[in-house]
Amino acid sequence: QQQVKQSPQSLIVQKGGISIINCAYENTAFDYFPWYQQFPGKGPALLIAIRPDVSEKKEGRFTISFNKSAKQFSLHIMDSQPGDSATYFCAATVQGGSEKLVFGKGTKLTVNP
Amino acid sequence: GAGVSQSPSNKVTEKGKDVELRCDPISGHTALYWYRQSLGQGLEFLIYFQGNSAPDKSGLPSDRFSAERTGGSVSTLTIQRTQQEDSAVYLCASTQFTGDDTQYFGPGTRLTVL
Repeated sequence: QQQVKQSPQSLIVQKGGISIINCAYENTAFDYFPWYQQFPGKGPALLIAIRPDVSEKKEGRFTISFNKSAKQFSLHIMDSQPGDSATYFCAATVQGGSEKLVFGKGTKLTVNP
Repeated sequence: GAGVSQSPSNKVTEKGKDVELRCDPISGHTALYWYRQSLGQGLEFLIYFQGNSAPDKSGLPSDRFSAERTGGSVSTLTIQRTQQEDSAVYLCASTQFTGDDTQYFGPGTRLTVL
């Protein structure tokens, strides 16, 4: 059973455009939702994270939108740059226990110059 | 400071052989995780260590997989009698668990079972 569903699998955006990646979760106990960015040959690195007590969090060009009632959250990358080309993973966890991350299957983003 | 390191970076083995993968977490991080990243499957939790507590082994796919963490620092993931479906990138992560929930990942070990 896939607990976090991520879409699209791949995304191509022109430089300066907006990249949008969506995730949906099933477990209502999840209370921490990070996004990870992974470049080829590297481990994932935390990009931005949100807790369900807020509906939006912005850090620079990256914004998470969170809809608790719909059990959905999304990553928006404004003014996308070729250097943003990477694979993005959404994840979810329940804080207070092992906090093991449940990941989506990833979105490969390509930003064309 | 130094991040999470893993060795080897690549490992090619024959079906049926045993392999050991090593993880050195960030100094001072009390929690350590192993994940597996298979092509097109995202990251899958394997096992979690926190201090002296019993590890959470709920993600280990079979009894051929085991892991230990010695002295609260270095961890070794062992796969016995490797199968072709074990081919994947094995990632280790560590976290401080003192207000910062970020899991910091190593570069991974790419395992290929022929």
